[in-house]
Amino acid sequence: QKEVEQNSGPLSVPEGAIASLNCTYSDRGSQSFFWYRQYSGKSPELIMFIYSNGDKEDGRFTAQLNKASQYVSLLIRDSQPSDSATYLCAVKLSGGSQGNLIFGKGTKLSVKP
Amino acid sequence: GAVVSQHPSRVICKSGTSVKIECRSLDFQATTMFWYRQFPKQSLMLMATSNEGSKATYEQGVEKDKFLINHASLTLSTLTVTSAHPEDSSFYICSARDIRTSDLTTQYFGPGTRLTVT
Repeated sequence: QKEVEQNSGPLSVPEGAIASLNCTYSDRGSQSFFWYRQYSGKSPELIMFIYSNGDKEDGRFTAQLNKASQYVSLLIRDSQPSDSATYLCAVKLSGGSQGNLIFGKGTKLSVKP
Repeated sequence: GAVVSQHPSRVICKSGTSVKIECRSLDFQATTMFWYRQFPKQSLMLMATSNEGSKATYEQGVEKDKFLINHASLTLSTLTVTSAHPEDSSFYICSARDIRTSDLTTQYFGPGTRLTVT
């Protein structure tokens, strides 16, 4: 059973702080990793994707990937109350060509003003 | 760009009836669309992969005769929940992949359909 694990939280950080969200995955052959943000009652929206080991930055967001440790994280700098949401980690399993993603259960982030 | 719509956004139906949910890619063509289901406080679970012009591929444990999927065009896929029961109440979300992109993985999600079966 291929799995994606996330701490369900809630993770509470003060406004302006760095929020760190973590994800581990079991499929060692996975090559593509995604972070989605999901507001309550809404569908997920893509924040970032990362394919290579190391860091990838986009504005206030930085994704970090360590394939050897099967670990991917998302850092949110200067956190804002509007960042409060559930963050879903998704992994494309190795093999196949459909682009099927396996999602973690998500980490709920709360940014306090 | 890359907008996906779903209709209806919310539906309440009686047990035993069927419900059709539409998923449309508005500004791009999608050879592949995915149907997910999400129960409260749970993750998205892939139900099936829908390919234009061919039969859908269902995930293990998903009844293909209960969840009928039709992908008749490059911009429309439908999911019909037949003989719905209260346990089918969930948030159904579709996603689509842009035919133009060489990236086989990026999916754009629709806004979801909240189904309540009474």
